[in-house]
Amino acid sequence: SYVLTQPPSVSVAPGKTARITCGGNNIGSKSVHWYQQKPGQAPVLVISSDSDRPSGIPERFSGSNSGNTATLTISRVEAGDEADYYCHVWDSSSDQVFGGGTKLTVL
Amino acid sequence: EVRLVQSGAEVKKPGESLRISCKGSGYNFTTHWITWVRQMPGKGLEWMGRIDPSDSYADYSPSFQGHVTISSDDSINTAYLQWSTLRASDTAIYYCARLMGRQFTYAYDYWGQGTLVTVSS
Repeated sequence: SYVLTQPPSVSVAPGKTARITCGGNNIGSKSVHWYQQKPGQAPVLVISSDSDRPSGIPERFSGSNSGNTATLTISRVEAGDEADYYCHVWDSSSDQVFGGGTKLTVL
Repeated sequence: EVRLVQSGAEVKKPGESLRISCKGSGYNFTTHWITWVRQMPGKGLEWMGRIDPSDSYADYSPSFQGHVTISSDDSINTAYLQWSTLRASDTAIYYCARLMGRQFTYAYDYWGQGTLVTVSS
């Protein structure tokens, strides 16, 4: 089965840049999506297809994907960005796969 | 405005049956697959299965096959997730979500608010 590996937690100071990684075998050949989930709320799509930003998502959110690692980058981090972030891909053998999630803490 | 509105929280006993719902609005319900995702307390997201509302064809994650049934009624723009025999381990929040396009490689662009299911004796 296909596995996506995310760090359990990432901490960043306000105004700095946060990078959340998602590792998987040859993930660069797949289309990676990212969701933000705040406590008590449903997930929200923040990046689709590696680097596309849905309407309403700030430009501070960006994505990249190459080799064995996809990365969600949040620039000029704000307190309101504190949340859990999940990566997601489709794999031919495992179908829909989510990463374990990363808790972003804004210091 | 696209919306997915789920049914309310449920408290059930082990062995009981349950059906929860997800009603779509603001778009053509039959043109987008609906998926169901489980989130156990304090845990991550797990894909359960999906349904094509245009013909009610459903498929499932092996982890959930045989324990849940996904169905839909396009006359009322609603998808369902049901259990015939609940277990305590089914306690979780269940989300429905819309697949952006017809390819399974696409993202889930709209999500329901979630339905909390508590199974306890």
